[in-house]
Amino acid sequence: DAEITQSPRHKITETGRQVTLACHQTWNHNNMFWYRQDLGHGLRLIHYSYGVQDTNKGEVSDGYSVSRSNTEDLPLTLESAASSQTSVYFCASSWGEDTQYFGPGTRLTVL
Amino acid sequence: SQKIEQNSEALNIQEGKTATLTCNYTNYSPAYLQWYRQDPGRGPVFLLLIRENEKEKRKERLKVTFDTTLKQSLFHITASQPADSATYLCALRDDKIIFGKGTRLHILP
Repeated sequence: DAEITQSPRHKITETGRQVTLACHQTWNHNNMFWYRQDLGHGLRLIHYSYGVQDTNKGEVSDGYSVSRSNTEDLPLTLESAASSQTSVYFCASSWGEDTQYFGPGTRLTVL
Repeated sequence: SQKIEQNSEALNIQEGKTATLTCNYTNYSPAYLQWYRQDPGRGPVFLLLIRENEKEKRKERLKVTFDTTLKQSLFHITASQPADSATYLCALRDDKIIFGKGTRLHILP
């Protein structure tokens, strides 16, 4: 069955380290998205991609980067992790801009 | 400023009754609005989409209405069950998809 997976599911890191969160989907969706979810803020868009080599900034992109070298993967990199980036991160994919299919999430703690 | 608002207070409903959740928005002209369900520790799961030219959409025990004049969508669960307890998110499509913060629903047995 087609699916979307994220790894790791849990990560603890230290301030200043570079961290990469993986997202992999097997639906062959063109569109992929990264969100963070924090209490009181809901889901906020970090970066998104509408196809290979395409990346765009979302609402809260500072300190994050993405690259899209194939259809299946959109890794999210925290260049220099900060405590404010402690959050739950969700990856999602879609065909058009309609239904989004979400991954299980990655809980990141920055100490 | 643009806002999408859902009731931040948890909603407690007796089993068997109809649960109604509200999503209000300002300063958007969305092409469509979606509702998602999120269980603790999991990603959101799509439930229903309603377009701007549709007044109502149904799926089994779920019903969504969309009033572009009032700038409001209502999400109804009829004959509610404890298994319906979750957080429900609305999302609208402007130039991108924007999510509300969600409403926690508790169905009491």
